[in-house]
Amino acid sequence: EAGVTQFPSHSVIEKGQTVTLRCDPISGHDNLYWYRRVMGKEIKFLLHFVKESKQDESGMPNNRFLAERTGGTYSTLKVQPAELEDSGVYFCASSPLLGLAGSSGEQFFGPGTRLTVL
Amino acid sequence: QQQVKQSPQSLIVQKGGISIINCAYENTAFDYFPWYQQFPGKGPALLIAIRPDVSEKKEGRFTISFNKSAKQFSLHIMDSQPGDSATYFCAASSRAGNQFYFGTGTSLTVIP
Repeated sequence: EAGVTQFPSHSVIEKGQTVTLRCDPISGHDNLYWYRRVMGKEIKFLLHFVKESKQDESGMPNNRFLAERTGGTYSTLKVQPAELEDSGVYFCASSPLLGLAGSSGEQFFGPGTRLTVL
Repeated sequence: QQQVKQSPQSLIVQKGGISIINCAYENTAFDYFPWYQQFPGKGPALLIAIRPDVSEKKEGRFTISFNKSAKQFSLHIMDSQPGDSATYFCAASSRAGNQFYFGTGTSLTVIP
């Protein structure tokens, strides 16, 4: 079974440009999360989708960040315009809904997208 | 404000030794405490997890010790191997499905 995939693996952009990150969760996982790790710090929550709905977006830093989840499948995270402090590794994770087979609380992480803003 | 505090930041252990990583939390509503292992270029992967109704959980060479009254939990890696060299993150959540709060990570190096 394919795991969580993310694209691109790396992105280098200049301040003020726009970048869109994509996440494909494990098939059948209704929960989808975005996290970010700034170098040397903790992995920090950004937002949580249940199917196509935003369940919790309390971690989104500001309105330069826009997340969507089309049809409850893949998700995109757009940063526009990018700032220097947006640099970091962006992780996507997915999990099945509670009560369903395989729902142990575990979140399955993708390999991340390393974003560098110059 | 960091919800989960992790130490040490880095750890070097001889092959065959015991690696110990500690985490502390404040929110008593947390009820799920996973440890994730991350190798370079890969995403974090669940290593072992515990819920607060037990004080210890063991899976092979990996053990979580949990102290509910002290609000602390730790990962013990017995007989550490060079292949265990990775970054380890502790985490906590208040309900399955909710966001994880992660520690800052521990870079473990096991030298042959």
